[in-house]
Amino acid sequence: EVQLLESGGGLAQPGGSLRLSCAASGFTFSSYAMSWVRQAPGKGLEWVSAISGGGGRTYFADSVKGRFTISRDNSKNTLFLQMDSLRAEDTAVYYCAKDQPVAGYYFDCWGQGTLVTVSS
Amino acid sequence: EIVLTQSPGTLSLSPGERATLSCRASQSVSSNYLAWYQQKPGQAPRLLIYGASSRATGIPDRFSGSGSGTDFTLTISRLEPEDFAVYSCQQYGSSPRTFGQGTRLEIK
Repeated sequence: EVQLLESGGGLAQPGGSLRLSCAASGFTFSSYAMSWVRQAPGKGLEWVSAISGGGGRTYFADSVKGRFTISRDNSKNTLFLQMDSLRAEDTAVYYCAKDQPVAGYYFDCWGQGTLVTVSS
Repeated sequence: EIVLTQSPGTLSLSPGERATLSCRASQSVSSNYLAWYQQKPGQAPRLLIYGASSRATGIPDRFSGSGSGTDFTLTISRLEPEDFAVYSCQQYGSSPRTFGQGTRLEIK
């Protein structure tokens, strides 16, 4: 069974940083691109960032480009999202989502999400 | 970027009834690369439909997707109690991938 478990959310001050992690199991992690998708309170889903299976290609939404970094450790089946220069508008539940072998398609498995709150 | 508009915002129906949810794109979705997800409070989103009309693994056949170009529909033929949730569409025909704002399906 495919499982994705996010961690690392919490309260951060504007301008601060947080690092999210997503532990994956039940599939060959390195064979699939992975993404982060967020949902602000009362809003729809928003794709944030994606990374190729090998980690060599990364993609970002314009809203986070230059502030967020995505990476993965295939030896530990773990996906990361480093969030710097956080803003109030980054407040959201962040989901880890399994992409297809190539990034840019639909998401066939999602984690439960981790809440990030940016506030002073 | 492609903007997806879902309607209605909220749909109130009874178990056993038929539900029809709409997703309209601001421009044509390439190759009909349109997916639908179900989301319940506190739970992970679940993929229902991809490629506009292909059911994901394990999805009951009461769920069906149709449409092309800019107009897409998710139909639930006969509502079960567990179907009351929020449904979102997503396009992956062009970058960046975008989602609709969701339709809340509630029990009447």
